[in-house]
Amino acid sequence: GQSLEQPSEVTAVEGAIVQINCTYQTSGFYGLSWYQQHDGGAPTFLSYNGLDGLEETGRFSSFLSRSDSYGYLLLQELQMKDSASYFCAVRDRDDKIIFGKGTRLHILP
Amino acid sequence: KAGVTQTPRYLIKTRGQQVTLSCSPISGHRSVSWYQQTPGQGLQFLFEYFSETQRNKGNFPGRFSGRQFSNSRSEMNVSTLELGDSALYLCASSHKRENGDTQYFGPGTRLTVL
Repeated sequence: GQSLEQPSEVTAVEGAIVQINCTYQTSGFYGLSWYQQHDGGAPTFLSYNGLDGLEETGRFSSFLSRSDSYGYLLLQELQMKDSASYFCAVRDRDDKIIFGKGTRLHILP
Repeated sequence: KAGVTQTPRYLIKTRGQQVTLSCSPISGHRSVSWYQQTPGQGLQFLFEYFSETQRNKGNFPGRFSGRQFSNSRSEMNVSTLELGDSALYLCASSHKRENGDTQYFGPGTRLTVL
């Protein structure tokens, strides 16, 4: 079957760095995306990796290794407003978008 | 540009009824996808429409259907509602293949089935 695995919860301290991992097993692969969703809100796009390597957007970075079917989202200088759920997503060979079940990020002051 | 809009925002129905949800994509976006979000299952793909054609369908029963109009607005319909259909239904539009096919989500419709 097709799946994206990510930790259900991660806890970090304000100002620190946190990494959220995502491993995928899909039929076909057209890049890995990351989305953020605050409680009661809609998912919003954060980052996309179509090729191996690191993509940086401000405090957020995302990494992809296609040979390992693995990627991660790195959040630096954590702020309380970063408390949210983070989803990785892949478009597979059948052109369907598959989301992981999400990682709930808790930030401690 | 205005974002993706969805109506209604909240809906309460009883088992056996049917419901129609509406989605207006970002202007210029021709692809509209629908997702069901529940605490236990996360975000699950329902279907995707592009230029009025259903491009893909997720693993949901035939009670779930949708359509897209010539102005790219989309509707989804759920017939014979079941308690398990209670969820947040999210619509997302995209300018196909832009930046990895970024999905722009609407605020969702919270459906409660009693």
